[in-house]
Amino acid sequence: GEDVEQSLFLSVREGDSSVINCTYTDSSSTYLYWYKQEPGAGLQLLTYIFSNMDMKQDQRLTVLLNKKDKHLSLRIADTQTGDSAIYFCAEKDSNYQLIWGAGTKLIIKP
Amino acid sequence: DAGVIQSPRHEVTEMGQEVTLRCKPISGHDYLFWYRQTMMRGLELLIYFNNNVPIDDSGMPEDRFSAKMPNASFSTLKIQPSEPRDSAVYFCASSRTGSGANVLTFGAGSRLTVL
Repeated sequence: GEDVEQSLFLSVREGDSSVINCTYTDSSSTYLYWYKQEPGAGLQLLTYIFSNMDMKQDQRLTVLLNKKDKHLSLRIADTQTGDSAIYFCAEKDSNYQLIWGAGTKLIIKP
Repeated sequence: DAGVIQSPRHEVTEMGQEVTLRCKPISGHDYLFWYRQTMMRGLELLIYFNNNVPIDDSGMPEDRFSAKMPNASFSTLKIQPSEPRDSAVYFCASSRTGSGANVLTFGAGSRLTVL
């Protein structure tokens, strides 16, 4: 079945850029998403990208999509302590349902 | 809008007891989802509704779990009897048809501990 994979942890220094990577298997994905989960809270949509795009930028966030390699990345510029969270990648599959990755915990070092 | 509202935020109960989790979706949203999150299994879709009708309950772990949506503004997830392995955070989320990207809005979750 469809699968979405991401590494479990990423540690970066405050002020550096963070790049969180995700791979997926469903070539018919229409949308791909990044959600953020802060401690004790639900998931919040950060951004999403339509499958016919290869890049989307929104302030400090840049999403890159490589459809050929089925690879999605989220870059956070100038990482701040408030960016500490778990970041989930998800794809909308051919049945219009979301397939979720396991989440990447972003750790910010001072 | 107040967003998706879940209650209770925390529930501690003893094995064998009945647990009822509640959710109020965003007004105008016609899809409602129940998810469970654990360290071991991550985020799991339990069941989802469209226009109050259950569409896919294949993620419901076993018969001890049941979900209802009696109207567009309320849903419940019931566990009877509860077991320690049901301890998790349960999220409700809603979305609206025609929004293209099918963006889900999540509630804050209900943290369940079964002793």
